[in-house]
Amino acid sequence: EDKVVQSPLSLVVHEGDTVTLNCSYEVTNFRSLLWYKQEKKAPTFLFMLTSSGIEKKSGRLSSILDKKELSSILNITATQTGDSAIYLCALLSGTYKYIFGTGTRLKVLA
Amino acid sequence: EAQVTQNPRYLITVTGKKLTVTCSQNMNHEYMSWYRQDPGLGLRQIYYSMNVEVTDKGDVPEGYKVSRKEKRNFPLILESPSPNQTSLYFCASSFPPGQQNSPLHFGNGTRLTVT
Repeated sequence: EDKVVQSPLSLVVHEGDTVTLNCSYEVTNFRSLLWYKQEKKAPTFLFMLTSSGIEKKSGRLSSILDKKELSSILNITATQTGDSAIYLCALLSGTYKYIFGTGTRLKVLA
Repeated sequence: EAQVTQNPRYLITVTGKKLTVTCSQNMNHEYMSWYRQDPGLGLRQIYYSMNVEVTDKGDVPEGYKVSRKEKRNFPLILESPSPNQTSLYFCASSFPPGQQNSPLHFGNGTRLTVT
């Protein structure tokens, strides 16, 4: 059965800290892995990672896929209070189903 | 503005009373899908559609129906709602999934309470 496991479940840090969020998966046929940020309402897209293993970066956020380890990490450097959110990892399977992890709740204290 | 629009945003109903949650997108996306989000369980896919007249079950389809008669619309139908369908529902759309320009775009959610 395809599944996605995110860790840690929650995290509290201070502004300026660097955080690493983890996503591990099991899938019979991998297409891509996506990261989303969810604040009060709809998830918003951060990154899409494919088999190429290329690191994706956007400002203070970066993410990379390790296909050998069946995992991905999302790094946030110099965290700000506006980074407080739930971060979701999603797997796109071979049958075009999306499987989401339960998310990591990040709280950044001023 | 490119968006996925869900209606209603909030809905309180009673057990057994049929309801429909509408979803419309203006981005000409082929792929549309429905999710429910419950505490501790994350987002779970209910149904998805690769294109007009093509629909498939996600992980939790029991108690739900969908239809895709037009490209822009993908309504979610609960024929006989039950309290265990109380949840936050999201509709999402994209170009054919797996391509670099095709992340899911989410609507703002519908909070459904079934009493």
